Amino acid sequence: NAGVTQTPKFRVLKTGQSMTLLCAQDMNHEYMYWYRQDPGMGLRLIHYSVGEGTTAKGEVPDGYNVSRLKKQNFLLGLESAAPSQTSVYFCASRRAGDRYEQYFGPGTRLTVT
Amino acid sequence: SQQGEEDPQALSIQEGENATMNCSYKTSINNLQWYRQNSGRGLVHLILIRSNEREKHSGRLRVTLDTSKKSSSLLITASRAADTASYFCATDARETSGSRLTFGEGTQLTVNP
Repeated sequence: NAGVTQTPKFRVLKTGQSMTLLCAQDMNHEYMYWYRQDPGMGLRLIHYSVGEGTTAKGEVPDGYNVSRLKKQNFLLGLESAAPSQTSVYFCASRRAGDRYEQYFGPGTRLTVT
Repeated sequence: SQQGEEDPQALSIQEGENATMNCSYKTSINNLQWYRQNSGRGLVHLILIRSNEREKHSGRLRVTLDTSKKSSSLLITASRAADTASYFCATDARETSGSRLTFGEGTQLTVNP
């Protein structure tokens, strides 16, 4: 099993450009998450999904959109990138229920200039 | 309110010593989880303790949970240089029905050989 994979690993954008980050998991997990991590800080939840076709806002959703058209994929979109969105983005997934851990991808390092 | 605040922010010890990290949180929880992050990598789950448990062990890890004080501690015994990493606690709050975690800002542990 590949677990959780993220594409791309690195990206540099200019202010105002758009891009989509792809997260894929092969563990048949119901729940998927997008986080951002800034230097010296913990993870902040951007959006999450508890099933195919459903999404919900996390702590810091502004400037981002998501889609979960297939159970195994969770896409994070930036429509008009801003320097404040420079960060490392992590995707995670887990089984439904309140006793399961999250599995994380390796991260995408995004720089917006 | 911020959940999962770790203490200390940074800890430096010698190989063979024990390392203790603490986590405080503010709301009622289903469970509390500890994760580890090596530099430049995604998070890896270490241990989960449920709200009705007081102590849990996994190899050299020992986690305690005091729901009356809303606090948890992670003890790593006989530390090794390879334990150098950031450690995060994450709370699964009852109010979000187990759908998501809230992460603290982490403790940076350095184990000197």
